[in-house]
This record gives sequence, C-alpha cells and structure tokens, in this order.
Amino acid sequence: EPEVTQTPSHQVTQMGQEVILRCVPISNHLYFYWYRQILGQKVEFLVSFYNNEISEKSEIFDDQFSVERPDGSNFTLKIRSTKLEDSAMYFCATGAGTTTADTQYFGPGTRLTVL
Amino acid sequence: AQTVTQSQPEMSVQEAETVTLSCTYDTSENNYYLFWYKQPPSRQMILVIRQEAYKQQNATENRFSVNFQKAAKSFSLKISDSQLGDTAMYFCASVTSNTGKLIFGQGTTLQVKP
Repeated sequence: EPEVTQTPSHQVTQMGQEVILRCVPISNHLYFYWYRQILGQKVEFLVSFYNNEISEKSEIFDDQFSVERPDGSNFTLKIRSTKLEDSAMYFCATGAGTTTADTQYFGPGTRLTVL
Repeated sequence: AQTVTQSQPEMSVQEAETVTLSCTYDTSENNYYLFWYKQPPSRQMILVIRQEAYKQQNATENRFSVNFQKAAKSFSLKISDSQLGDTAMYFCASVTSNTGKLIFGQGTTLQVKP
C-alpha cells in the first residue's frame, strides 16, 4: 500500500540554524500539507499547498517558514532560523481527491529538536 | 471559525470491552468532513474512520464505528472488542471543503488494560 514518507526521522539542530524537512507524497496525490505537534499538545495546521503554490497558511507559518516542491516529487518545509519553540513533531500529509476535503494521509513525522 | 473539542483527556477500558470517545465540533459550513485519527506511541498519525457530513448513515470500519449527530454537532467513536493494540491517543478532526486544513481536537489518551 502506498504511503507518505518523511526524512529525516529525527533532526537535532542549534538555535538559529536552517533545517529542511522532506516529504515524499503518495504518487498521484495533488494536495500537500504540513502540520506540527508540540509534545503533549494537539496537532496544528501550518500550510497547505496545491498546484505549486500555497493555498492557505496559519499564523504559525511566518516568514521563517517556506515550502516548495523542487523536483515535482519531494515536498519540503524549510525553517530558516530555528528557535527553541520550533521543537516539535512535523507531519507531512497528502490528499488525492478533487476537493480539498479528501482524506489526508500522514507521514511518520520528523522530530525536530532545537538546542 | 471551526473548532473541535474532546472533553475526555484520558480513558481506559478492559480488553474485549467497548469504549466510546466523545467529540463535539462547531462549524458554520454545510459541507464538511469528520475524521478520527489514532496516534500510537510511535507518534504516527493513522486514519481510523471518516464521515461525510451529508451522509446520514454512520460510518463503520470493522470494530470502529461512529455516532454522528449532525444537529448536536457530535461525532463520537465507538471501539468494540477493544484490543491491546488500540492503546493510543485518539484525535477527532474536521475539515471543510473550502479550506482543506484539518482542525484537530485536543486528543483522548486511551489505555486498553489486559
């Protein structure tokens, strides 16, 4: 069964450094999302991406964040200058449907630790 | 604005018994979808079940079923014949057709006891 993959599984970085989190969506999926989950808290929406542009972003998704699909397959989340409060689990999700409300399938997540 | 509320932070159930997890939501949209996701200790988010708001029939997936009460904006998950592998955090979530972003509840930690 096709699945969403994410790399790395765990990233440790120093405050102020740039990190890139990578996601490989299920091949025929058209909608892409990033969510984050701070330990012990609920999952929060960051950004949605469709047709090579951002569809919607949350207040969390400020100028230090960016997304792109550089080669038509990988979907990346870049955090330009990490802060301690960026430490969280980051999930990529993808959806296949013709509407934005189709089921979203999640990757296994990347645990980001900012020291 | 959409909101999703899970009022039970923790629940436990004996193996083979039935448990119901509660969820309420609020939305002004007519076209929306509701989901339950399971998050085991590995922290992977696994889809359990999905309900389209326009469908009156409650969704079922093997041992998992929902009680969807649209007027009350309630969407509870029933797990029958609970198994040890059902131990996890369960999240209720909603999405509207015009945004695509999932709005999650706070989660309910379920422990299945042998």
